[in-house]
Amino acid sequence: NAGVTQTPKFRILKIGQSMTLQCTQDMNHNYMYWYRQDPGMGLKLIYYSVGAGITDKGEVPNGYNVSRSTTEDFPLRLELAAPSQTSVYFCASSPQALLATYEQYFGPGTRLTVT
Amino acid sequence: AQKVTQAQTEISVVEKEDVTLDCVYETRDTTYYLFWYKQPPSGELVFLIRRNSFDEQNEISGRYSWNFQKSTSSFNFTITASQVVDSAVYFCALSEARVGWGGTSYGKLTFGQGTILTVHP
Repeated sequence: NAGVTQTPKFRILKIGQSMTLQCTQDMNHNYMYWYRQDPGMGLKLIYYSVGAGITDKGEVPNGYNVSRSTTEDFPLRLELAAPSQTSVYFCASSPQALLATYEQYFGPGTRLTVT
Repeated sequence: AQKVTQAQTEISVVEKEDVTLDCVYETRDTTYYLFWYKQPPSGELVFLIRRNSFDEQNEISGRYSWNFQKSTSSFNFTITASQVVDSAVYFCALSEARVGWGGTSYGKLTFGQGTILTVHP
């Protein structure tokens, strides 16, 4: 069982370039999340999705976009990359979050550097 | 205000020592969940434990134990007889139910800043 997979593992972007971080889960989870982790910090929520076709903003959504056309996939799009987006990005999924009960399962992360 | 505080930024111990990682949280919800995650040097996040706000029983799993005290809003994590493989960053997290788009709820997970644990041979 692969769980949550993310590609690529590493990426270097130039300022102003765009890219899409891929995330796929095979656990049939309704909920999916994108976080960023800056050095020495905990994770901050960028966007989340409660099911196919439904997404919403988290704490730090500026500069990012998401879509959820299938249950399995939740790509994160960076438009016009900026140095402030240098971070490690984690995708996570969880079963339907009744009263926030379920733990989130995390992918291995994508380390992005914008120069 | 910081919702999840892990006051210890770094802890260094020698193998076989016991070590406790502190976590203090803040919430107005009556129902919430607390988690501990481990992030080894390889970078992935590994789920360790979940505890709900109504269950203050301490839990032990092998060398790991957790002490949840609602009166002090603390959820501390103890590793007994630490090993080099325990070296990692440990995150405490608080999950609160929130209503998002269209009235559906999701678990808003707030992480502490993490404690770097180094276990020396």
